[in-house]
Amino acid sequence: EAQVTQNPRYLITVTGKKLTVTCSQNMNHEYMSWYRQDPGLGLRQIYYSMNVEVTDKGDVPEGYKVSRKEKRNFPLILESPSPNQTSLYFCASRLQGFGEKLFFGSGTQLSVL
Amino acid sequence: DQQVKQNSPSLSVQEGRISILNCDYTNSMFDYFLWYKKYPAEGPTFLISISSIKDKNEDGRFTVFLNKSAKHLSLHIVPSQPGDSAVYFCAASKGGSEKLVFGKGTKLTVNP
Repeated sequence: EAQVTQNPRYLITVTGKKLTVTCSQNMNHEYMSWYRQDPGLGLRQIYYSMNVEVTDKGDVPEGYKVSRKEKRNFPLILESPSPNQTSLYFCASRLQGFGEKLFFGSGTQLSVL
Repeated sequence: DQQVKQNSPSLSVQEGRISILNCDYTNSMFDYFLWYKKYPAEGPTFLISISSIKDKNEDGRFTVFLNKSAKHLSLHIVPSQPGDSAVYFCAASKGGSEKLVFGKGTKLTVNP
């Protein structure tokens, strides 16, 4: 089944404790991206990657890191999480090209205490 | 600067009636528009799209209309069903670029 898989689904952590949210897709998509969803703010892009070893900042990249060492994986790293990073996170992927639609993962609900 | 705006946070309609969700955009360079639907505890899923060379695209009960001069698009759902109750996001991109800009979403409730 074609899908984008994120882990974990739920995560509670404390300020300053490094964490990684994993994302994997099995559709051979070149493009992958991370979004966060906050009440009243909709979906905002954190980072995206157009292919292996190619990443770029989205609208709200502060406090996040990403890497794209393999085509299928695009982990989101919070080196020193803070409470304002409490949010619902989505990973997404798609083929390159005009009109290609994004496929989203099921989301990771992160709470930073 | 919010480039894609969904000014109605919520909408409630009766089953069988039409639902109309609206979206405005400010960037005239946008040339591709999409609607995504999101249920609680799930990721958004693609619903329907339209490119700027068209003014209407239809897929079953869902129709998207684009008015380029007004920088406005709308999603019509006819007839509405309780299973359509979800948050709907409008999104736009320009020139096939990698950046998809989302609106804040409209929560649709279809009452039986």
